[in-house]
Amino acid sequence: QQQVKQSPQSLIVQKGGIPIINCAYENTAFGYFPWYQQFPGKGPALLIAIRPDVSEKKEGRFTISFNKSAKQFSLHIMDSQPGDSATYFCAASSQGAQKLVFGQGTRLTINP
Amino acid sequence: GAVVSQHPSRVICKSGTSVKIECRSLDFQATTMFWYRQFPKKSLMLMATSNEGSKATYEQGVEKDKFLINHASLTLSTLTVTSAHPEDSSFYICSAIPNHRPQAFFGQGTRLTVV
Repeated sequence: QQQVKQSPQSLIVQKGGIPIINCAYENTAFGYFPWYQQFPGKGPALLIAIRPDVSEKKEGRFTISFNKSAKQFSLHIMDSQPGDSATYFCAASSQGAQKLVFGQGTRLTINP
Repeated sequence: GAVVSQHPSRVICKSGTSVKIECRSLDFQATTMFWYRQFPKKSLMLMATSNEGSKATYEQGVEKDKFLINHASLTLSTLTVTSAHPEDSSFYICSAIPNHRPQAFFGQGTRLTVV
């Protein structure tokens, strides 16, 4: 019940395309859902986060869609660029930003 | 922005020795910090919660006598891997949450290799 399931494991998209990464959870006590970007050999960096009282949140080229009834949320990257190539993790927590439970990660490659 | 710095970024040690990893919040105070472990091409797994001025709380399956955590100030937490073995080789990442802002900021990670 503490798991967050993320898919796909890897994704290749052409420049300008819109990669979509999906996550699903079971624990209804989760109330904070962030997305992180990680480059090789670096720590994760927060991209965007959402709480369950909102169905969509947009920051720059990144959008989170949240479906509370389905217990699913997804990340969309608009106008993707080769520099967006990284591993993306969704996460969830029932304690704000504390004790995050991470998804398995998605290795995203944006081809020029 | 809020910056979390880990040191060292890479360390190689011999089996049986101990290694200390530092996690510092450079421009904010953090009562609580977290230590994660990440295997190659895998997700981050929470190891323990580091609480300033009190004992750390460990996740199930994490040996507290092997992974010693000290959070002596509001800007510094340390993780000591004691009597390291090759299976302890991993990428260790800390995060800190500013006392005034509910958002987790991660360090750049420490690559530990035990030979």
